Amino acid sequence: EAGVTQFPSHSVIEKGQTVTLRCDPISGHDNLYWYRRVMGKEIKFLLHFVKESKQDESGMPNNRFLAERTGGTYSTLKVQPAELEDSGVYFCASSQDSVLVGAYNEQFFGPGTRLTVL
Amino acid sequence: AQRVTQPEKLLSVFKGAPVELKCNYSYSGSPELFWYVQYSRQRLQLLLRHISRESIKGFTADLNKGETSFHLKKPFAQEEDSAMYYCALTLHGSSNTGKLIFGQGTTLQVKP
Repeated sequence: EAGVTQFPSHSVIEKGQTVTLRCDPISGHDNLYWYRRVMGKEIKFLLHFVKESKQDESGMPNNRFLAERTGGTYSTLKVQPAELEDSGVYFCASSQDSVLVGAYNEQFFGPGTRLTVL
Repeated sequence: AQRVTQPEKLLSVFKGAPVELKCNYSYSGSPELFWYVQYSRQRLQLLLRHISRESIKGFTADLNKGETSFHLKKPFAQEEDSAMYYCALTLHGSSNTGKLIFGQGTTLQVKP
């Protein structure tokens, strides 16, 4: 099992361009999370999928960010158009669905995608 | 709003010295607290959680609800402990969607 995978590992784009990040969760994990770490700041939650449904997107910074998880497998996070402040490391994590309501299942993180917007 | 604070950006100790990485949180409910670690060139991984009350790699952390703290401790630091450590919390109960709220992280540097 490769664990959570993310593609690309690095992306350098110019302001105004579009970038799509991809996350493949661990097989069988219904929960998929996106997080972001902007340089010098904490890792911040962006959104949470349960299967193909957005459970919580309260952390999405603005409508330039669009996340999808068609079919409940891999997820994409598109930034369009990218701005300088979008630079950072984007992490994806997945976890199993919990049998108990409200219980926490360990999140397994991907290696991250480092996005640089020039 | 929930918040996690790690006051030290960098903690540098010598091998064999005790280590304490500080973490304070603010949350009016009953959170679950975690320590995550990221070693060089590796991905973020769970180190320990307060519910399990276990010692992992010699590290322990006790939840102090009175002081709203969850400090990470190890009596004798090893060079392989050098890494970035993140304290995090998640909400407990039916409102729990599992999202993690992280502190800013503390880099632990263990010198030989």
